[in-house]
Amino acid sequence: DTGVSQNPRHKITKRGQNVTFRCDPISEHNRLYWYRQTLGQGPEFLTYFQNEAQLEKSRLLSDRFSAERPKGSFSTLEIQRTEQGDSAMYLCASSSFPGGWTGELFFGEGSRLTVL
Amino acid sequence: GQQVMQIPQYQHVQEGEDFTTYCNSSTTLSNIQWYKQRPGGHPVFLIQLVKSGEVKKQKRLTFQFGEAKKNSSLHITATQTTDVGTYFCAGTSGTYKYIFGTGTRLKVLA
Repeated sequence: DTGVSQNPRHKITKRGQNVTFRCDPISEHNRLYWYRQTLGQGPEFLTYFQNEAQLEKSRLLSDRFSAERPKGSFSTLEIQRTEQGDSAMYLCASSSFPGGWTGELFFGEGSRLTVL
Repeated sequence: GQQVMQIPQYQHVQEGEDFTTYCNSSTTLSNIQWYKQRPGGHPVFLIQLVKSGEVKKQKRLTFQFGEAKKNSSLHITATQTTDVGTYFCAGTSGTYKYIFGTGTRLKVLA
């Protein structure tokens, strides 16, 4: 078990470009979460999946953000027409439910986005 | 929407002193979790509390869930330099969407 893997670890892009992040959760974890974190702040909820179903999406997210988990395994988070305010660390976490669930969210190392 | 606030925002203590961070939710919580994030790292799970008034201990750490399930606290006895980091609470109200608090950054002076 290699933990939650996120790619790329760093992304620098120009304003207006599209970016995509990938998250590979711990195998057999059926819940997957995306959070955004800026310096000095707590992780901000973006969305979460149970298997391939997107169960909830933050109302704070504009239509420029979309996430998918097509086969209930890995997930992608796409940001279209990036803005400087999108610069942040994008964190993915996975969790196993229900059997043996302790509630723990296992976080990846994150993907840091810088929009110039 | 649900908001989770933590106080204090920062705390500097001398090594060996105690430390407490408080977490307050705008809504009643189903359960609450605590995470620690070291500088440059990602959040790491510490514990989950589910029952009203629940108290759990992990070595020098004591976690408490309020009777009304709207607040929680983390107390560290005799801090060590390894306790440095930011402590977050994260709560959920009826779903599995965890809302993280604003965090308390702890600095321990040797």
